[in-house]
Amino acid sequence: KAGVTQTPRYLIKTRGQQVTLSCSPISGHRSVSWYQQTPGQGLQFLFEYFSETQRNKGNFPGRFSGRQFSNSRSEMNVSTLELGDSALYLCASSPAAENTGELFFGEGSRLTVL
Amino acid sequence: AQSVAQPEDQVNVAEGNPLTVKCTYSVSGNPYLFWYVQYPNRGLQFLLKYITGDNLVKGSYGFEAEFNKSQTSFHLKKPSALVSDSALYFCAVRDHQTGANNLFFGTGTRLTVIP
Repeated sequence: KAGVTQTPRYLIKTRGQQVTLSCSPISGHRSVSWYQQTPGQGLQFLFEYFSETQRNKGNFPGRFSGRQFSNSRSEMNVSTLELGDSALYLCASSPAAENTGELFFGEGSRLTVL
Repeated sequence: AQSVAQPEDQVNVAEGNPLTVKCTYSVSGNPYLFWYVQYPNRGLQFLLKYITGDNLVKGSYGFEAEFNKSQTSFHLKKPSALVSDSALYFCAVRDHQTGANNLFFGTGTRLTVIP
């Protein structure tokens, strides 16, 4: 069974641009969560989608958005990029509607904002 | 509010020796606690979880964790460390209030196993 796939793995953008990251969950998993990982702030929850609906959202500005498609694939978008958005963005999927806390993470998309 | 603390940024242990990575938690209600591991340039991998039941939880790769309610701790342990155990370890607690897949992670502890 293929794992969680995130694309692109690495990308470089400049301030003010926008970026879209993609996540394909494990087949059969309907919940997709996004986390931001930085050396200073650690791992922070961005949002979670289940059955195309945003179920929960972390404390990030509105520049950060996401969506989920009917095949459970998810995208997150960051508009008007700032230097502080440089981070590893991790996607995680989970099979069940009820959260067990056991998440399956992708390898991440490393975003560098110049 | 839910939170976890990992008091040690770095833990060094000799190969073959027992290892402990510390975690304390603060939650309202019953805690759902987790350990994840991150290898270089990789995502996180689930190791084990405590929801209810026995205080000693066994997980992947020979790891185990002991839940201690009176000390609000959930330390990760392994009887005999391997060089391949060297990685970044995260303790996490689930957000009870939302009931969704919202985990609060600690700041991580870098484990180095010395050959």
